[in-house]
Amino acid sequence: LAKTTQPISMDSYEGQEVNITCSHNNIATNDYITWYQQFPSQGPRFIIQGYKTKVTNEVASLFIPADRKSSTLSLPRVSLSDTAVYYCLVDRYSSASKIIFGSGTRLSIRP
Amino acid sequence: NAGVTQTPKFQVLKTGQSMTLQCAQDMNHEYMSWYRQDPGMGLRLIHYSVGAGITDQGEVPNGYNVSRSTTEDFPLRLLSAAPSQTSVYFCASSYSGTGEEETQYFGPGTRLLVL
Repeated sequence: LAKTTQPISMDSYEGQEVNITCSHNNIATNDYITWYQQFPSQGPRFIIQGYKTKVTNEVASLFIPADRKSSTLSLPRVSLSDTAVYYCLVDRYSSASKIIFGSGTRLSIRP
Repeated sequence: NAGVTQTPKFQVLKTGQSMTLQCAQDMNHEYMSWYRQDPGMGLRLIHYSVGAGITDQGEVPNGYNVSRSTTEDFPLRLLSAAPSQTSVYFCASSYSGTGEEETQYFGPGTRLLVL
């Protein structure tokens, strides 16, 4: 399983764009990159998933360079409600049931 | 759909007691997993299942048992509770499809305190 490295914490302000970068140097050909969001006292929630280039949905964008050794989660115009822990996961689809979570990035948004 | 449900929401045990944490899903997912999350930490995988009758160990399986007799249910049993098992337990389920369908859906969690 590819190991991921992401910042322990980040701070930003309402209305700003926040970019969280995750390193996964040992990513395998079959691996997908998935980001989850977790609010206090809740289970993680899927945000976005990608394999290469750029993926965008109503919540975020995911940028993946050609070598796929890193990825960047972009949250546009954050609000206080975006304060949460964000996890970057790398795993092949066939092992979804045993995905390993790291410590995540604790994002704090200030007024 | 109710999604992934977990009971109880909160439980206090004494050292040495046993109990079962319940998890159920109504999305016909084949894959189910149990995680624990200690304060300020990420999630650690305890056990997982890729279908009824099939289970396997995760990162931290010691002290826990699981079984999967139906697609819907995946209970987690604590054999003899220890204070080190004080944690929040999350159950998750996912499709057995390919690629983008493999995202996991998490339950609300069970807070366990072992005295």
